[in-house]
Amino acid sequence: DARVTQTPRHKVTEMGQEVTMRCQPILGHNTVFWYRQTMMQGLELLAYFRNRAPLDDSGMPKDRFSAEMPDATLATLKIQPSEPRDSAVYFCASGPALGVGSNEQFFGPGTRLTVL
Amino acid sequence: AQTVTQSQPEMSVQEAETVTLSCTYDTSESDYYLFWYKQPPSRQMILVIRQEAYKQQNATENRFSVNFQKAAKSFSLKISDSQLGDAAMYFCAYRLGGANSKLTFGKGITLSVRP
Repeated sequence: DARVTQTPRHKVTEMGQEVTMRCQPILGHNTVFWYRQTMMQGLELLAYFRNRAPLDDSGMPKDRFSAEMPDATLATLKIQPSEPRDSAVYFCASGPALGVGSNEQFFGPGTRLTVL
Repeated sequence: AQTVTQSQPEMSVQEAETVTLSCTYDTSESDYYLFWYKQPPSRQMILVIRQEAYKQQNATENRFSVNFQKAAKSFSLKISDSQLGDAAMYFCAYRLGGANSKLTFGKGITLSVRP
């Protein structure tokens, strides 16, 4: 049963600490997305990659956030330093760029981040 | 920029009845996709139904169907024979046609189902 996995599922940290969230996309999916969900802003795109190259990171605060794909099986989202306003649920999603299944993005279970 | 609007924050339906969730969007593009996602308390995002803009026929998936009005830029979701398990947040979403790209979501609507 192919699915997107995310770790950790929950993270509580103190302001100023570094946070790293990891995502393993579905094998064979070459497009990976990071979304953030908050009560105020709803669901919004932070960044996405195709074939490991960033295509759009305009939704990501550049001063403290960074997103990478070290290889095709791992995407990371880092926040350094973290702030209370970063508290949210962070979703990773993956999908093929074209062809069968490209009309869908498969979401991971999310990482709930709380910054105190 | 594309926008998606869900103006009803909450709705309630009696079990076994039918409910319609509203969504409007704004785009200048002609090739795009529209989606409804369900998010239960587990937070998992589940695709309910999708609609390609070039298709005139409304999509249907079992008890779920859409009313796609392209000229009016309206995309409502109808849930028939509502079940307790349908209680969740529902998000309307849009993306451009072509290669898989970012989804733009509405704010969501919380649906409760009364037994």
